[in-house]
Amino acid sequence: GAVVSQHPSRVICKSGTSVKIECRSLDFQATTMFWYRQFPKKSLMLMATSNEGSKATYEQGVEKDKFLINHASLTLSTLTVTSAHPEDSSFYICSASSYKWETQYFGPGTRLLVL
Amino acid sequence: KNQVEQSPQSLIILEGKNCTLQCNYTVSPFSNLRWYKQDTGRGPVSLTIMTFSENTKSNGRYTATLDADTKQSSLHITASQLSDSASYICVVSAGAGGGNKLTFGTGTQLKVEL
Repeated sequence: GAVVSQHPSRVICKSGTSVKIECRSLDFQATTMFWYRQFPKKSLMLMATSNEGSKATYEQGVEKDKFLINHASLTLSTLTVTSAHPEDSSFYICSASSYKWETQYFGPGTRLLVL
Repeated sequence: KNQVEQSPQSLIILEGKNCTLQCNYTVSPFSNLRWYKQDTGRGPVSLTIMTFSENTKSNGRYTATLDADTKQSSLHITASQLSDSASYICVVSAGAGGGNKLTFGTGTQLKVEL
């Protein structure tokens, strides 16, 4: 149980375009979802926390207008990277928990390359 | 500032050998400590979780220890296999007073060779 999926697994886009990444909890209802970013050989860095039906809480230094997060249902959260630039190229990982203070289960990640 | 430090940064061992990875943390308040295995290009997968009162937790060939007094944890891998090659990440969760936020270590990159 506690499976989290992400789609797409990898995406290549042109600079200036927007990219949407989906995160789904397949066998449980995720009241809270988390979005992380990971650079090569670095640890995961929390970008934002989203609760179903409410606005996401962004970590310091993360631009909320650039990284749009929607958590419209208990099984789906989306991260949209708007007007992507090459420096946005990274590995994006989501996680989900069944209620806010419970264990986080991680998705397989999405590799974004902006040309 | 909450921190999690892991050592060594990288490690190469021969298949069948054992190894031990270390984790030191300064996270307050402390709720639990997890070890994750992350294959290249994949998300982390939980191996073990330990709370304050637990000293040892095993999951197959993986055995984690926790010393809450010295704020140290170790992950011991027995009879290593080629598939154990991955990054092993120590993650500490702050308690309710810390918003239950996770602090990630930078990981130990393990390579198992023939």
